[in-house]
Amino acid sequence: SQQGEEDPQALSIQEGENATMNCSYKTSINNLQWYRQNSGRGLVHLILIRSNEREKHSGRLRVTLDTSKKSSSLLITASRAADTASYFCATDDAAGNKLTFGGGTRVLVKP
Amino acid sequence: DSGVTQTPKHLITATGQRVTLRCSPRSGDLSVYWYQQSLDQGLQFLIQYYNGEERAKGNILERFSAQQFPDLHSELNLSSLELGDSALYFCASSARSISNYGYTFGSGTRLTVV
Repeated sequence: SQQGEEDPQALSIQEGENATMNCSYKTSINNLQWYRQNSGRGLVHLILIRSNEREKHSGRLRVTLDTSKKSSSLLITASRAADTASYFCATDDAAGNKLTFGGGTRVLVKP
Repeated sequence: DSGVTQTPKHLITATGQRVTLRCSPRSGDLSVYWYQQSLDQGLQFLIQYYNGEERAKGNILERFSAQQFPDLHSELNLSSLELGDSALYFCASSARSISNYGYTFGSGTRLTVV
């Protein structure tokens, strides 16, 4: 079963535009993480936001977390062709033993 | 190179066969996680080991088993393979607490059952 659900499932933008994707989850979390996956490759950890944080930045990435709505968003600013990938949110379980991943958002950045 | 090594990268085998996937975690990481990624099921958690002991189990089929050895490498054994087992199998490792650091993924093993 999937804890997080991403929206939209797919996104196509022009280089230089911003890309925003959302994640909703069902149960209480300790933290929420975002990962990127280039086609057929391993996932790469992008950013982690703890349940007591509301916003976090890392380079061109901005993540927000609203625990009252059980949702998070990932914003990629000034997108580049190299940002073309699938993006997944993931939440940990209460024991912090494993991450449960959402279905992902496929992002295509056109040059 | 993420530091997590998975072998083999590709595997093609027939139905009914058994295969072993291998994973070496990043240096210093004690936890190993196995995930299956398919188009229809997404990323599914299979099993976690921490320092040689099973710590958490997901929707892992009875035909599948895993273990973590004293040198911390892990193997995932898939037996009586079916066409539906065709997928990408990922191993990930983490430091003690994923709540602080998240996972480091390997590049995966693409299994094709024919």
